Amino acid sequence: EAQVTQNPRYLITVTGKKLTVTCSQNMNHEYMSWYRQDPGLGLRQIYYSMNVEVTDKGDVPEGYKVSRKEKRNFPLILESPSPNQTSLYFCASSFPGGARNEQYFGPGTRLTVT
Amino acid sequence: AQTVTQSQPEMSVQEAETVTLSCTYDTSESNYYLFWYKQPPSRQMILVIRQEAYKQQNATENRFSVNFQKAAKSFSLKISDSQLGDTAMYFCAFMTNFGNEKLTFGTGTRLTIIP
Repeated sequence: EAQVTQNPRYLITVTGKKLTVTCSQNMNHEYMSWYRQDPGLGLRQIYYSMNVEVTDKGDVPEGYKVSRKEKRNFPLILESPSPNQTSLYFCASSFPGGARNEQYFGPGTRLTVT
Repeated sequence: AQTVTQSQPEMSVQEAETVTLSCTYDTSESNYYLFWYKQPPSRQMILVIRQEAYKQQNATENRFSVNFQKAAKSFSLKISDSQLGDTAMYFCAFMTNFGNEKLTFGTGTRLTIIP
């Protein structure tokens, strides 16, 4: 089954404790991206990757890091989480210029930083 | 920079009725894509319908259709014969035709279908 997976689905952590949210896709997509969703703000792009070893900032990159060492994986790293990073996070992937320009979204990760 | 505006934070409609969700956007580009995504309580993001800006014909997907007015930069979603399963948050989104396939989202409209 074609899918994007994220782990963990829920996470409660404390300020300053490094964490990683994993994202994996099994569709051989070149493009992957991270978004955060906040009430009243919709979804905003954090980082994206056009291919292996090619990453760039989105609209809200502060406080986040990413890496793309393999085509299928695109982890999101919060090295020193703060309460303002409490949010719902989505990973998405697509084949650039592909049919329907459809991006496939993961199930989301609910992060709470206390 | 592109912006997407959804001016209706919440809407409700009786089951089987028709409802229209509004979306306007701002861009200086001539070629782009517009989308409506549905987010049910499960939080999964589901693509409902897409429209290519260079196509004048409005897109339709079963009970879902759009009214795309390029000059007015308007992209509304019409849901016909609404069903209880249509209850969800709906996001309008914009994508340029170049480079980063970033989706720029509106703030969403929470739609409730009343039995």
